[in-house]
Amino acid sequence: GQSLEQPSEVTAVEGAIVQINCTYQTSGFYGLSWYQQHDGGAPTFLSYNALDGLEETGRFSSFLSRSDSYGYLLLQELQMKDSASYFCAVNNQAGTALIFGKGTTLSVSS
Amino acid sequence: EAQVTQNPRYLITVTGKKLTVTCSQNMNHEYMSWYRQDPGLGLRQIYYSMNVEVTDKGDVPEGYKVSRKEKRNFPLILESPSPNQTSLYFCASSLSLGDGYTFGSGTRLTVV
Repeated sequence: GQSLEQPSEVTAVEGAIVQINCTYQTSGFYGLSWYQQHDGGAPTFLSYNALDGLEETGRFSSFLSRSDSYGYLLLQELQMKDSASYFCAVNNQAGTALIFGKGTTLSVSS
Repeated sequence: EAQVTQNPRYLITVTGKKLTVTCSQNMNHEYMSWYRQDPGLGLRQIYYSMNVEVTDKGDVPEGYKVSRKEKRNFPLILESPSPNQTSLYFCASSLSLGDGYTFGSGTRLTVV
């Protein structure tokens, strides 16, 4: 079967750093993406890793290890507005078959 | 403004009454996809399309149909809706894998 595992909830305080892990088991792999979704809103694209290593975009970084079928999203200098759900997603074939994890709810407190 | 437009935003309907949720994008994206989102289950792909007249099933296609006659439009059709199709639906489009998907605002469907 195909599955993505990520923690269901993470809590942190403003200014802290948090890491959301994602492990995947899929029939094919072309890349790992991360999306953010605020309550009642649409998911928004954060990052994409096709190759091993770290990709940095401002306060957010994403890491991939293909040999370990593992990735993570790193959020630095947390702000209250970062409170949201974060989804990892795998492209498991050339095309648009994007499989999502069940999401991690991040709560940032002051 | 570059966007994915879904209509309607909210819909309450009765079991068995055919309905269509429209989706249109103005970014000339080749890839389009439909997802449903349910509490505790995350986003599950219903159907996707790699280009005009090219569609394929996702993880939960039962009870749904799609068509891609034009590049910009990708309607989702429920021929005979049932209460278990009550959900939040998202349409999304993408230029390429690395660009990520742009999602529409969602359609909250209730089937009674």
